[in-house]
Amino acid sequence: DQQVKQNSPSLSVQEGRISILNCDYTNSMFDYFLWYKKYPAEGPTFLISISSIKDKNEDGRFTVFLNKSAKHLSLHIVPSQPGDSAVYFCAASGTYGQNFVFGPGTRLSVLP
Amino acid sequence: DAEITQSPRHKITETGRQVTLACHQTWNHNNMFWYRQDLGHGLRLIHYSYGVQDTNKGEVSDGYSVSRSNTEDLPLTLESAASSQTSVYFCASSLGRGMGYEQYFGPGTRLTVT
Repeated sequence: DQQVKQNSPSLSVQEGRISILNCDYTNSMFDYFLWYKKYPAEGPTFLISISSIKDKNEDGRFTVFLNKSAKHLSLHIVPSQPGDSAVYFCAASGTYGQNFVFGPGTRLSVLP
Repeated sequence: DAEITQSPRHKITETGRQVTLACHQTWNHNNMFWYRQDLGHGLRLIHYSYGVQDTNKGEVSDGYSVSRSNTEDLPLTLESAASSQTSVYFCASSLGRGMGYEQYFGPGTRLTVT
């Protein structure tokens, strides 16, 4: 059973609009959550993270929101750009990196 | 610049053959990881190491082995390749574990087992 779920395999958004990527998890021991971005034929690259003591973390156009009671996090990209088109992986782990797990990914397409 | 490299980038092999995928990092990171990426599953952890001579099994370790004889390298060996092991393999490394220590990934190796 997947501990980290990304229920939308794909998402299309118009350039300039907001992209919202969602992630749900089942393990209440997860304390640290990350988003990675992956372009074709490249390895994933770290994008942004959040610890369970926060409910929001912002880095430029990227903001991650965490709702611990709902075991849900989301990544907001505002405004979306064509270069943001990639596969986005949600990941989670315990405080010390134990049980590090990736979700299945969501393919984002930003249309010009 | 420090980096993490994988070789080969593409490999075709036959069922039953032994295959070794190389991973080399120049960050002097203690922790190294091997993942496979398959559609619908994302990245699944095969093996990981927290330092020289340390190796641990991940979620999908059957049919794979690793050894860590130095800080820079973590080769992944498929003892007897099977068609189910056709996948894209990623190596990663991190300085530490947990909060604040993201993993840095190599470019991947696409392995086809015929």
